[in-house]
Amino acid sequence: AQSVTQLGSHVSVSEGALVLLRCNYSSSVPPYLFWYVQYPNQGLQLLLKYTSAATLVKGINGFEAEFKKSETSFHLTKPSAHMSDAAEYFCAVSEANYGQNFVFGPGTRLSVLP
Amino acid sequence: SQTIHQWPATLVQPVGSPLSLECTVEGTSNPNLYWYRQAAGRGLQLLFYSVGIGQISSEVPQNLSASRPQDRQFILSSKKLLLSDSGFYLCAWSGDRGGQPQHFGDGTRLSIL
Repeated sequence: AQSVTQLGSHVSVSEGALVLLRCNYSSSVPPYLFWYVQYPNQGLQLLLKYTSAATLVKGINGFEAEFKKSETSFHLTKPSAHMSDAAEYFCAVSEANYGQNFVFGPGTRLSVLP
Repeated sequence: SQTIHQWPATLVQPVGSPLSLECTVEGTSNPNLYWYRQAAGRGLQLLFYSVGIGQISSEVPQNLSASRPQDRQFILSSKKLLLSDSGFYLCAWSGDRGGQPQHFGDGTRLSIL
């Protein structure tokens, strides 16, 4: 069975600092991996996805993530945090042949300090 | 392009009252459809998913039910709401092949009094 862990339920960074949100996954087959962002009282918005092409994936809003098979990780980064990046971030994993089998991590709340 | 509509945006209901939340998808056919619940400050809990008309899989036994009367319509219902049903309800869709992302509606904030 697949699973996702996100280290740190709450991460705080200063405006302009590096953002690093951690995601580790478990999957018995090559996974598809996703990062989503959720602003208060809104649905989840897809930031980026890994689908077995390039291991470094660029997404919207300046975010990127790197798939590392040896570490079973898919950490999300952004070189310089903006105040508007404050939100909840979810990592998710899906297996290739089961579209409905989509597992979300518990989420990491990102705060950006002025 | 595909869009997903979910309504109402907010709902306040008394304990014991019925519930009907509706979700519709446009611009795609035969989508997988999902209902999630998000308690305050918590992650996503998958409630139901559907791979086709009339096909519903329940992930969590409770007093909620789901129906898919049309290809792009997904309804979440309850005959009698409990206080514990309060939360943020999200509908999502994905393509019917594996590895495709889910796309979410704007959610319904349900408060039970």
